Amino acid sequence: GNSVTQMEGPVTLSEEAFLTINCTYTATGYPSLFWYVQYPGEGLQLLLKATKADDKGSNKGFEATYRKETTSFHLEKGSVQVSDSAVYFCALIRITGFQKLVFGTGTRLLVSP
Amino acid sequence: DVKVTQSSRYLVKRTGEKVFLECVQDMDHENMFWYRQDPGLGLRLIYFSYDVKMKEKGDIPEGYSVSREKKERFSLILESASTNQTSMYLCASTLSRLTGLGTEAFFGQGTRLTVV
Repeated sequence: GNSVTQMEGPVTLSEEAFLTINCTYTATGYPSLFWYVQYPGEGLQLLLKATKADDKGSNKGFEATYRKETTSFHLEKGSVQVSDSAVYFCALIRITGFQKLVFGTGTRLLVSP
Repeated sequence: DVKVTQSSRYLVKRTGEKVFLECVQDMDHENMFWYRQDPGLGLRLIYFSYDVKMKEKGDIPEGYSVSREKKERFSLILESASTNQTSMYLCASTLSRLTGLGTEAFFGQGTRLTVV
């Protein structure tokens, strides 16, 4: 079946540090891949996405590259800010059949000044 | 601005009560979903619907039912609430099951339900 595995948190960083949150997936075919972010007290919102191999999604300084050969979609940011503190979810969606999102367990990021 | 609205941010209910969680979207989306979010477990799909009056079980449907009488509204029902249903509930919608790649899901703000 389809599944997403992401690193456990919390990830604790100082402001301006480099961020990597690992995400790997298992899926039949070639799914679309997403990173969602959940700020405290809010629902999830789309951060970035990639729809095919070697695509790079980017938004707000975050980037992730769709790596088919390693079935990975790691999230990176060169310099985190306190305002980036949130929970980050990696997710995939099948491109055949009913489009159902499958999520990882989420990784909490805490950025201190 | 696109919107998914959940009727309550916080709810406290007693064990055995029938509980209704309401979700409305204003984007004319075909697909709607109910997830529950628990620490360490991420988001787990309870039920989804791809059309009015249509529903499909997700990964954890036990103890829940749903209703979709109108396209814009998707209700989650706890027939007899239990303490293990204390959780954050998230509603989401996507445009169409026939849409191509990269369909974005839009989420409501969540309902934190406590069953005592």
